[in-house]
Amino acid sequence: GENVEQHPSTLSVQEGDSAVIKCTYSDSASNYFPWYKQELGKRPQLIIDIRSNVGEKKDQRIAVTLNKTAKHFSLHITETQPEDSAVYFCAASKANNNAGNMLTFGGGTRLMVKP
Amino acid sequence: DAGVTQSPTHLIKTRGQHVTLRCSPISGHKSVSWYQQVLGQGPQFIFQYYEKEERGRGNFPDRFSARQFPNYSSELNVNALLLGDSALYLCASSWGQINTGELFFGEGSRLTVL
Repeated sequence: GENVEQHPSTLSVQEGDSAVIKCTYSDSASNYFPWYKQELGKRPQLIIDIRSNVGEKKDQRIAVTLNKTAKHFSLHITETQPEDSAVYFCAASKANNNAGNMLTFGGGTRLMVKP
Repeated sequence: DAGVTQSPTHLIKTRGQHVTLRCSPISGHKSVSWYQQVLGQGPQFIFQYYEKEERGRGNFPDRFSARQFPNYSSELNVNALLLGDSALYLCASSWGQINTGELFFGEGSRLTVL
């Protein structure tokens, strides 16, 4: 089955700096890669996603890049703010009528933005 | 519109007991998935149901079962509870069966097994 590795497990940055979180996946058939933000005690919420036919996607201060050959994808947050502090999860999935839309999550990255 | 709703929000059980968790998807969503999130880890897939049929099953023992009702709500049942079943159980809904769009998560049911 799919295996998703996420690094680093914790990341501390100064407000205004950039943050980068990296994930690798094992199943070359995976074609959908969402990123979720989970604040303490809250539900995971989708912040950005990318499909395998696209190499990069940007939404304001957040961008995601995908390298299908190397099977890795990254989340980039620019101009970090204290409210960006949370746990971020990457995930991978493949469109397959047998597999449904099962997401395999990485282990998470705790991002701390220091004012 | 109401989001994904789950009940109960918190519950405490003892080893060997049984638990039923409930989930109501977003209106119009036909797929419901269940995930287990142990403290400090990423969510782990348990089941997906679409149009009342099981469409995916994760690597969980047979003590875990689920079903989806005609109104697309869902139940997750866990029998013979173990200490290791203590976790946040997340329900997620989506419109379609495959990854045609975002998974919307509920706030979860936090289960503590003593």
